[in-house]
Amino acid sequence: GAGVSQSPSNKVTEKGKDVELRCDPISGHTALYWYRQSLGQGLEFLIYFQGNSAPDKSGLPSDRFSAERTGGSVSTLTIQRTQQEDSAVYLCASRRDHYNEQFFGPGTRLTVL
Amino acid sequence: DAKTTQPTSMDCAEGRAANLPCNHSTISGNEYVYWYRQIHSQGPQYIIHGLKNNETNEMASLIITEDRKSSTLILPHATLRDTAVYYCIVRVGYRDDKIIFGKGTRLHILP
Repeated sequence: GAGVSQSPSNKVTEKGKDVELRCDPISGHTALYWYRQSLGQGLEFLIYFQGNSAPDKSGLPSDRFSAERTGGSVSTLTIQRTQQEDSAVYLCASRRDHYNEQFFGPGTRLTVL
Repeated sequence: DAKTTQPTSMDCAEGRAANLPCNHSTISGNEYVYWYRQIHSQGPQYIIHGLKNNETNEMASLIITEDRKSSTLILPHATLRDTAVYYCIVRVGYRDDKIIFGKGTRLHILP
């Protein structure tokens, strides 16, 4: 079946602009995660949605970052007033339940000029 | 913070078994050990997971020590396509499921 999809695959923006990144999880998966990965670095946790519970936002680096998940499916990560240090690959993952593995999307490569 | 420690990099000859170690000395009784890998320019891919028994699937084997403080991922016949960063992860519990990735081990398969 279809895996996790993300769009756009690449995004180039100017410093100070807002961007929206989209994640379509696998159908039926209740958990959704956002991570980012800077060049040569490991994955940095950003935010986690589980069902109808309040999201765990503890990994968001600043209040310029926000995310929502509508209808328990699609999620959008929004970065306001982008900075050059926001340049990274943003990865989304979904998981069916607590004891199963995460499935990752291909990521969105964000470049802030 | 990641609850695991792994070597930064390793080399393995093509066709040989690749053995990737991971230390997780503070693991709790209800925490699982998961392994993922990330091939260049792709998202991470699940490999295998286990609680205390050794596990094997079509991709790899996972050997967990009796005290559960360390584990080894074994790729039995490494190929060039196995060149990737391998992440060992300890799940932090049933309710708090913020999975934290460390820096992983960069595995180079040598022809």
